[in-house]
Amino acid sequence: ILNVEQSPQSLHVQEGDSTNFTCSFPSSNFYALHWYRWETAKSPEALFVMTLNGDEKKKGRISATLNTKEGYSYLYIKGSQPEDSATYLCAWGRSGSARQLTFGSGTQLTVLP
Amino acid sequence: EAQVTQNPRYLITVTGKKLTVTCSQNMNHEYMSWYRQDPGLGLRQIYYSMNVEVTDKGDVPEGYKVSRKEKRNFPLILESPSPNQTSLYFCASSLLAGGPSGYNEQFFGPGTRLTVL
Repeated sequence: ILNVEQSPQSLHVQEGDSTNFTCSFPSSNFYALHWYRWETAKSPEALFVMTLNGDEKKKGRISATLNTKEGYSYLYIKGSQPEDSATYLCAWGRSGSARQLTFGSGTQLTVLP
Repeated sequence: EAQVTQNPRYLITVTGKKLTVTCSQNMNHEYMSWYRQDPGLGLRQIYYSMNVEVTDKGDVPEGYKVSRKEKRNFPLILESPSPNQTSLYFCASSLLAGGPSGYNEQFFGPGTRLTVL
């Protein structure tokens, strides 16, 4: 199993702070990178699917960038709110792998009011 | 409402007693998958299916079976559960074609928390 690493494992920020976290993945045989948001007692929900080097995606206050050559993606949250508290998962799709995703263990974000 | 459903949501059982966790989706998705989630580890894929009667092993298939007789259903079978299969299980589905490079977002069910004593 090829590793997908996320850092930090957990993060506490104050309401209104901006924050970012990292997903590292193998740069060879890259096909796609997914970001999911997973709130406690709910199921993971897709935020972004990115496939091209240099891709930038944005949804409200959340954005993500992708560098496939060096094997990393950043997720940014601007002006964090308590409702942003969740675990953020990234998942790497490898070419030729029949749509299998390899997930990282997530970054758990807590936004303090 | 477009959704993935799983049943049961919670199950406590004993070692060796066969069980089935059902998964159903109403989005006409070709791709379905089972994951398990354990503390400190990412979601790990157990089995996946690209379409009816097409299934394949994921990263941690030992001790599990699946079937895909209908497009909407993808049950997970534990023939002889053991305590190391205590985990949180998620079913997910997605379209196969039409998205960016064919890798579409996955839609997850609500999860099944299984405890094997």
